[in-house]
Order: sequence, then C-alpha cells, then structure tokens
Amino acid sequence: DVKVTQSSRYLVKRTGEKVFLECVQDMDHENMFWYRQDPGLGLRLIYFSYDVKMKEKGDIPEGYSVSREKKERFSLILESASTNQTSMYLCASTPRVGGRNTQYFGPGTRLTVL
Amino acid sequence: GQNIDQPTEMTATEGAIVQINCTYQTSGFNGLFWYQQHAGEAPTFLSYNVLDGLEEKGRFSSFLSRSKGYSYLLLKELQMKDSASYLCAVRDRSGAGNNRKLIWGLGTSLAVNP
Repeated sequence: DVKVTQSSRYLVKRTGEKVFLECVQDMDHENMFWYRQDPGLGLRLIYFSYDVKMKEKGDIPEGYSVSREKKERFSLILESASTNQTSMYLCASTPRVGGRNTQYFGPGTRLTVL
Repeated sequence: GQNIDQPTEMTATEGAIVQINCTYQTSGFNGLFWYQQHAGEAPTFLSYNVLDGLEEKGRFSSFLSRSKGYSYLLLKELQMKDSASYLCAVRDRSGAGNNRKLIWGLGTSLAVNP
C-alpha cells in the first residue's frame, strides 16, 4: 500500500514563527502536492512538485515556500506564520501524470497559529 | 474558466440509495475522480471516470457524461459509516500544471440517518 506520512497531526505555533511541515511518501512517486483545507473553501493547492528540486505555484502560494531535496520528501515552509494560516494542511502524492493515477493523501496536519 | 459544482449537503436514510451530482467546466478534461473524506481525516479515492458511462464498484457507482460536463456518485444500501464528505475532482490537461493538478469541488456533506 502507498503510504504518505506527515510529521505532525497537530501543531500550535505563534505568530511570526517559522514553521516546517514535512511530508514523506514511500512509493517513489514523482509528483507531490501541498493543500490547505478550510470550511467552505474546500481543498486549495499551495504548491506542487513534479521532480526533485522542481516546484510550481498552486492557487494560493503567498506566504509559503517549499523544498524538495529528495524524491520522497516534500516540505512546506511558513516563513512567518500568521493567524490566517491556521488550517488543515494535507500532503498528497501521485506516481505519474494521467490515467487513473489518483492522489494519495497523508493524514493531515492541523496547524493553529496563535 | 474552470469550475466544479456539487450540492453542499444531503441527507439520506440507512439502507436507501443516494445520488450526488457534480457538474464541471474545464477546457481540457482528462478524467474525473470521486473521493470520500470522513471528518478530521484525509480524502480517500473512490472512483475514476474518463469515458462516458457507469463504473461500478460494490455499493458505489460513478457515472460520467463528458458532453454534458456531468457526473454522479451513486451510493446504494447506505450505511451509517457512509456519513462523510464526498469530493468531486477533475483533471485538466490545459494550462499550468500540465495534467498534474486536480480541480476540486467543495464537497458534498452526506448525513446518513437511522
């Protein structure tokens, strides 16, 4: 089975802190994604990566950056956390483009910024 | 533009059948996915349609009409554990993302009552 893990299930940070969210997948997937999910707004794509060191902005990249130094690991960085970044963060991966290659999700990190 | 619409909430009775509709507008349709998401958990894959017609998988079936930009998810013999949010997502080969991104609906929250 595909396994996507995220470093924390729950995280509480203070405004202005630098926050790292880590995601690891164990199936050699090429593509990895970071989403946030908020009530009434659904899943919104922050960034995605289709190869090591490659990244593309999603729909809401402002306030975030990402890093993919190894194929299995995709990190989301909040340079200076703000209260409006309180959300559920979901990481996903998919093996290749096209076909019925679905996105496999990690369990999510619920981040609260005080 | 790109857009996905699905009802916000639905209610059904245990043992009954429910149909959740999804309409979409994309310029480069290349597949439609249905996911199930229980409260506080990550989305999990349910079904995939790329050609017109019905795909059946146990109690769940999904239908697609590309000419109408329309899909539905049919859940039979409803059980209490089917209470969840159901997300419709479309893969679009046009624009940024080159077939890697999914466009997500906001989800339909289904409540199954005894």
